[in-house]
Amino acid sequence: GENVEQHPSTLSVQEGDSAVIKCTYSDSASNYFPWYKQELGKRPQLIIDIRSNVGEKKDQRIAVTLNKTAKHFSLHITETQPEDSAVYFCAARRFNASKLTFGTGTRLQVTL
Amino acid sequence: DAGVTQSPTHLIKTRGQHVTLRCSPISGHKSVSWYQQVLGQGPQFIFQYYEKEERGRGNFPDRFSARQFPNYSSELNVNALLLGDSALYLCASSLRLLDTGELFFGEGSRLTVL
Repeated sequence: GENVEQHPSTLSVQEGDSAVIKCTYSDSASNYFPWYKQELGKRPQLIIDIRSNVGEKKDQRIAVTLNKTAKHFSLHITETQPEDSAVYFCAARRFNASKLTFGTGTRLQVTL
Repeated sequence: DAGVTQSPTHLIKTRGQHVTLRCSPISGHKSVSWYQQVLGQGPQFIFQYYEKEERGRGNFPDRFSARQFPNYSSELNVNALLLGDSALYLCASSLRLLDTGELFFGEGSRLTVL
């Protein structure tokens, strides 16, 4: 089955710096790659997603890049703010399924 | 519009007991999925139901079962609870069965097994 690896497990950056989280997936039939943000005790919330027919997508300070050949995708957060502190999960889904396979999460800490 | 609602929010059980968790999807959403999130890990897929039929099952033992009702709400049942079943159980709803785009998660039911 699908396997999604995520790195790093923890990431600490200073306010205003950029943060990058990387994921790799195993199933070449995967075509949808969402990123979720989960604050302590809260539900995962979608922050950005990308489909396999595009290589990059941006939404204000957040961007996601996808390399289908290498089977990896990355989340980029620029100009980080304290409210960006949370656990971030990448996920992958194959084209004929609805199940999401999640990575193990990255705890991002933005310090003042 | 209300989001995905789950109940109860917290519960404590002892080993060997049974638990039922409930989920109401977003109005108009016909697909409900259940995920288990153990502390410090990503959510793991348990089940998907669409139009009251099971459409997907993850790698969980038969102690886990679920069903979906005509109003698209769903129940997750876990029998013979083990300590390792302690987790946050997330329900997610979506419009369609396949290629559903965004999954909308509820706040979860936090189960502690003692």
